[in-house]
Amino acid sequence: ELKVEQNPLFLSMQEGKNYTIYCNYSTTSDRLYWYRQDPGKSLESLFVLLSNGAVKQEGRLMASLDTKARLSTLHITAAVHDLSATYFCAVDDIHSSNTGKLIFGQGTTLQVKP
Amino acid sequence: EPEVTQTPSHQVTQMGQEVILRCVPISNHLYFYWYRQILGQKVEFLVSFYNNEISEKSEIFDDQFSVERPDGSNFTLKIRSTKLEDSAMYFCASSGLAGGRVSYEQYFGPGTRLTVT
Repeated sequence: ELKVEQNPLFLSMQEGKNYTIYCNYSTTSDRLYWYRQDPGKSLESLFVLLSNGAVKQEGRLMASLDTKARLSTLHITAAVHDLSATYFCAVDDIHSSNTGKLIFGQGTTLQVKP
Repeated sequence: EPEVTQTPSHQVTQMGQEVILRCVPISNHLYFYWYRQILGQKVEFLVSFYNNEISEKSEIFDDQFSVERPDGSNFTLKIRSTKLEDSAMYFCASSGLAGGRVSYEQYFGPGTRLTVT
């Protein structure tokens, strides 16, 4: 059974600082997604990572995927308050399913302080 | 830009009542999903639907749950007899073709908050 674990689960950081969120998963997959969720809102797609070594960047966020290590990272550069949200990684459970079922991590709540 | 829509945004119901949550997926998409998120917790897969039938369901998706695509545009989730623990945000998602190839990227709707009292 695919398990997806994120850490940290809560991150409080100062504006301007850098930090990395980690997403580990337990079985083979080369499809990993990062989503952002604001309180009470839906899931906004941030990154789609579809191969080993994939790296994508959008503004102050950069995501990467290492399928051999079963690890994805979401790196935040020079954080700003607007990045405060909960970030979820989700892995397509291709090992046991061909239906596109996503298994989500627990989420990392990011709080950026001025 | 095409988007997934869901109605209602908030549904309050009494325990034991039936509810139907509605979704309109993106029009050229082929795969449809329901997920739920209990307050403060992670998002959990409920069911996937393809070619007018369920392709996979989770342990959560018991006999009280059913899905339907009644008219080629709507995608519904029915809970026959709601329980307190069904209170959650329910998200519909869809995926389909992009550039002529199957794309597994799922686009999520805004969600329906279900409150069972």
